[in-house]
Amino acid sequence: DAGVIQSPRHEVTEMGQEVTLRCKPISGHDYLFWYRQTMMRGLELLIYFNNNVPIDDSGMPEDRFSAKMPNASFSTLKIQPSEPRDSAVYFCASSLAGGIPYGYTFGSGTRLTVV
Amino acid sequence: GDSVTQMEGPVTLSEEACLTINCTYTATGYPSLFWYVQYPGEGLQLLLKATKADDKGSNKGFEATYRKETTSFHLEKGSVQVSDSAVYFCALSDTRGGYQKVTFGTGTKLQVIP
Repeated sequence: DAGVIQSPRHEVTEMGQEVTLRCKPISGHDYLFWYRQTMMRGLELLIYFNNNVPIDDSGMPEDRFSAKMPNASFSTLKIQPSEPRDSAVYFCASSLAGGIPYGYTFGSGTRLTVV
Repeated sequence: GDSVTQMEGPVTLSEEACLTINCTYTATGYPSLFWYVQYPGEGLQLLLKATKADDKGSNKGFEATYRKETTSFHLEKGSVQVSDSAVYFCALSDTRGGYQKVTFGTGTKLQVIP
């Protein structure tokens, strides 16, 4: 398995532009998570899905952020409009649940810079 | 709610020194415990885990024992290498409510110098 695949690896955009981050989870995993990592705030859970359904989006910072999972093999995180304070590394992770703690598999992340 | 507290870094050690990174947790249920490692420019990788009290997780020379009585899961390695330089995250997993929620600590940066 190729692991969790995120694209792009790096994104530089101007303030006000729309940004879309993409994630392909591990085949068969039924949970998908979006995290944001910054020096100031550490690792923050933004939203997670179970069987493609959003379960908890309480970590999404503002209405400018939205996430979708149209099928089991693809998810997007969109920021519109983007702001400099959105600059961070965004990680996608997937896992199996069912009460057995396998842990998460993380992607390599997307480093977003908003100028 | 659940929480994880780990020692602040950075931790700087010479090659072949012994490593201990402290981690304590608070949880109302019976969580599973994890250590993740993040190398520069990469995502977090699962290093080891323990699912019940007194279990010992081990991988790549690292060990951690699930201590319920002290609510701790300290990471140890007898002889560190330069390649161990990374950020280490302690985490707990609680499967209450039918889903696997993972709570991460703030991370401890380890720098190993030759």
